[in-house]
Amino acid sequence: DAKTTQPPSMDCAEGRAANLPCNHSTISGNEYVYWYRQIHSQGPQYIIHGLKNNETNEMASLIITEDRKSSTLILPHATLRDTAVYYCIVKGSNSGYALNFGKGTSLLVTP
Amino acid sequence: GAVVSQHPSRVICKSGTSVKIECRSLDFQATTMFWYRQFPKQSLMLMATSNEGSKATYEQGVEKDKFLINHASLTLSTLTVTSAHPEDSSFYICSASPGDGSYEQYFGPGTRLTVT
Repeated sequence: DAKTTQPPSMDCAEGRAANLPCNHSTISGNEYVYWYRQIHSQGPQYIIHGLKNNETNEMASLIITEDRKSSTLILPHATLRDTAVYYCIVKGSNSGYALNFGKGTSLLVTP
Repeated sequence: GAVVSQHPSRVICKSGTSVKIECRSLDFQATTMFWYRQFPKQSLMLMATSNEGSKATYEQGVEKDKFLINHASLTLSTLTVTSAHPEDSSFYICSASPGDGSYEQYFGPGTRLTVT
């Protein structure tokens, strides 16, 4: 599975959009981009995933560049409860189900 | 969404004893379950992959005789930490996959193990 690079930490003001970047320059054609988050002392929570098209659900939007070498997770109106570590994970469809968690981005939403 | 539970949520045990942690998929059948471990301020590390009715596959460096995994049904996997030591103190998290082609994993809330 391709490796990912994320900034270690970010801040965002409550009510503003949080844009979390992820680089995955070695991604291959059959690999998906997954985003999970982990609130302190809880299990990870699935947010969204995509292959090449932009995706949106009730939690977030995922923007994937045309060359698929990077992506951005957008939380449109961040709340204090969005404070968490966000993990960008690239996983191929043929490499089994395990998720390889990197260090993630620690997002702090401030009042 | 699918729900995965873990029991207990928190356990304290004495060094040398064994501890069993249960992971259940409550509203779906999980052909595959995963066990992760997370030390303070670190990321989740996969310990093993457990398939119903077969032996677990352990990641490199994880002792299979120390961390016993049983996946006897499609809704239950257990992790037993045998002869626990203080360095086994960690946050243990399981996840389950329906195996229906969605490739999504649903995570349990985690179990905080403290070995004294």
